[in-house]
Amino acid sequence: SYVLTQPPSVSVAPGQTARITCGGNNIGSKSVHWYQQKPGQAPVLVVYDDSDRPSGIPERFSGSNSGNTATLTISRVEAGDEADYYCQVWDSSSVHPVVFGGGTKLTVL
Amino acid sequence: QVQLQESGPGLVNPSQTLSLTCTVSGGSISSGSYYWSWIRQPAGKGLEWIGRIYTSGSSNYNPSLKSRLTISLDTSKNQFSLKLTSVTAADTAVYYCARDRNYYDGQRGIGVHYFDYWGQGTLVTVSS
Repeated sequence: SYVLTQPPSVSVAPGQTARITCGGNNIGSKSVHWYQQKPGQAPVLVVYDDSDRPSGIPERFSGSNSGNTATLTISRVEAGDEADYYCQVWDSSSVHPVVFGGGTKLTVL
Repeated sequence: QVQLQESGPGLVNPSQTLSLTCTVSGGSISSGSYYWSWIRQPAGKGLEWIGRIYTSGSSNYNPSLKSRLTISLDTSKNQFSLKLTSVTAADTAVYYCARDRNYYDGQRGIGVHYFDYWGQGTLVTVSS
């Protein structure tokens, strides 16, 4: 089955840029989505289809996808961005088509 | 604004059946090209997709749970439900229901599936 690999943790100072990666075999050929999950809360979609933002998500959140790596970029990081972030794809060739990455804990220093 | 709300017992005995219902408000469960999914998350761990059902009633399940799993739809109540049989402690988790937005991107030749609305989640503990 398809595997998505995320770094367990990323740390960044307030006001700086955070980049969270999601690795997968030829992931650039798939549509990648990103979710933010704060402690005790349900996940929230922050980027869909590689780089689109749902209504209400700040422009500071952006995404890119090419080759074997997709990236969620958070500009001008704020304390409120501290959360777990998960990438997700649909793998049509798999009997387990919905694949989540293991998640990345973003710490704002 | 679509809203989803999970309901069901918070404690289930081992070997028994876990049953949860998701009530959808702010839109009809039978309109639009949406699937309706269940996702779970053990404490301190990542997200695991359980399965989904389409408005037509067709369903897809996680292969690791398929033999124990049934997802059904009740359009009259705008609800969909999960039944997981023969539960063990490994089934202890927060269970989420979510709307599965999906379409085919003809330009790239790929399917696009993501979860745009989620319930708040409900903790189910399997223990005697």
